[in-house]
Amino acid sequence: SAVISQKPSRDICQRGTSLTIQCQVDSQVTMMFWYRQQPGQSLTLIATANQGSEATYESGFVIDKFPISRPNLTFSTLTVSNMSPEDSSIYLCSALAGGYEQFFGPGTRLTVL
Amino acid sequence: GQQVMQIPQYQHVQEGEDFTTYCNSSTTLSNIQWYKQRPGGHPVFLIQLVKSGEVKKQKRLTFQFGEAKKNSSLHITATQTTDVGTYFCADPTGNQFYFGTGTSLTVIP
Repeated sequence: SAVISQKPSRDICQRGTSLTIQCQVDSQVTMMFWYRQQPGQSLTLIATANQGSEATYESGFVIDKFPISRPNLTFSTLTVSNMSPEDSSIYLCSALAGGYEQFFGPGTRLTVL
Repeated sequence: GQQVMQIPQYQHVQEGEDFTTYCNSSTTLSNIQWYKQRPGGHPVFLIQLVKSGEVKKQKRLTFQFGEAKKNSSLHITATQTTDVGTYFCADPTGNQFYFGTGTSLTVIP
């Protein structure tokens, strides 16, 4: 299993600014992912965070808007750049710990004014 | 990406009644997973189904994978208030997880 923490848990930001969300796993994991979830909606995969290389982005998400880092096997960051109110959402980090069970962090609730 | 639809979108049941959510894919799935998300919480993995026609049980929960591997269902027998939450199916194809639209379950005591 894997226990995942995220920082910050929530934030309120001004449009045009950027926010970096941190995701820390308590053990080395094979894969890490970033999702976005609007309240009451499903999860949308943003990207797969690859250790030591560029993240793999899903259709509709680009590196300039959502730069991702994964410097090692336990840590990743997602930056939401040049934010607009449409970026208000919950951002979730998840990981695969070698099997097929995906573990999720508690999420970061972002509000952009 | 994959299209994974779930019905119903919402379900209100009296405590003790049964509940079923259905997941339908536009393409054949290799596997299917189910997650539960409590209100205000994060998704928690429940189970993965792999084989055509597979049925798995976890206490009051019964999971089924269709023969054609394009649909799946989750059935809860005699719901309890602890079953409240949103149930998602997910297609883990190629480790790119596509989540279904979800079914939100409310259990009325």
